[in-house]
Amino acid sequence: DTAVSQTPKYLVTQMGNDKSIKCEQNLGHDTMYWYKQDSKKFLKIMFSYNNKELIINETVPNRFSPKSPDKAHLNLHINSLELGDSAVYFCASSQDLDRWTIQYFGAGTRLSVL
Amino acid sequence: QKEVEQDPGPLSVPEGAIVSLNCTYSNSAFQYFMWYRQYSRKGPELLMYTYSSGNKEDGRFTAQVDKSSKYISLFIRDSQPSDSATYLCAMDQGAQKLVFGQGTRLTINP
Repeated sequence: DTAVSQTPKYLVTQMGNDKSIKCEQNLGHDTMYWYKQDSKKFLKIMFSYNNKELIINETVPNRFSPKSPDKAHLNLHINSLELGDSAVYFCASSQDLDRWTIQYFGAGTRLSVL
Repeated sequence: QKEVEQDPGPLSVPEGAIVSLNCTYSNSAFQYFMWYRQYSRKGPELLMYTYSSGNKEDGRFTAQVDKSSKYISLFIRDSQPSDSATYLCAMDQGAQKLVFGQGTRLTINP
């Protein structure tokens, strides 16, 4: 039973398209995150939500829009995809903001923009 | 200069060897230090978690933090082929953000 699950695992699309990635956690955690891992393996925070409220919004193009319908779900919508958006996107969760340093990651969504 | 520096490797050692993985950092305000293990095509998995300076041991793994030198290490004793993975160090950047090293790719040869 996967703790943090992301769909899809792979996403291949053309430049200019709009796509969404979904994330769900069944750990009962309050806080969820989106990270981007580039081709050199650098993992960088993009967004975090706590109980559906946006907490962290890094310097990310506004083509990226996270949405948290409830505290178990955090989705990422990307408009007008660009070549530079190709990366692996990871969702993560932590129990709450007090225990934010201990994070559990999903398996990632590998996005390729052609 | 990056906040966290980690040699990306690759590092290849024979089974049974002691492995030493390291990160240096520039921000003396960091207090929480983590090591994550990431298998190929998988998400990072928390391996070790340390607060402030000192050592922490968990089975074959030992994490060391030297805040005076801004240097952290992960030691793996009696390394196994199943330890082959990328190891990422991570630290608290403040404002509830983690900053990660680039990761060191480790291969344990049978």
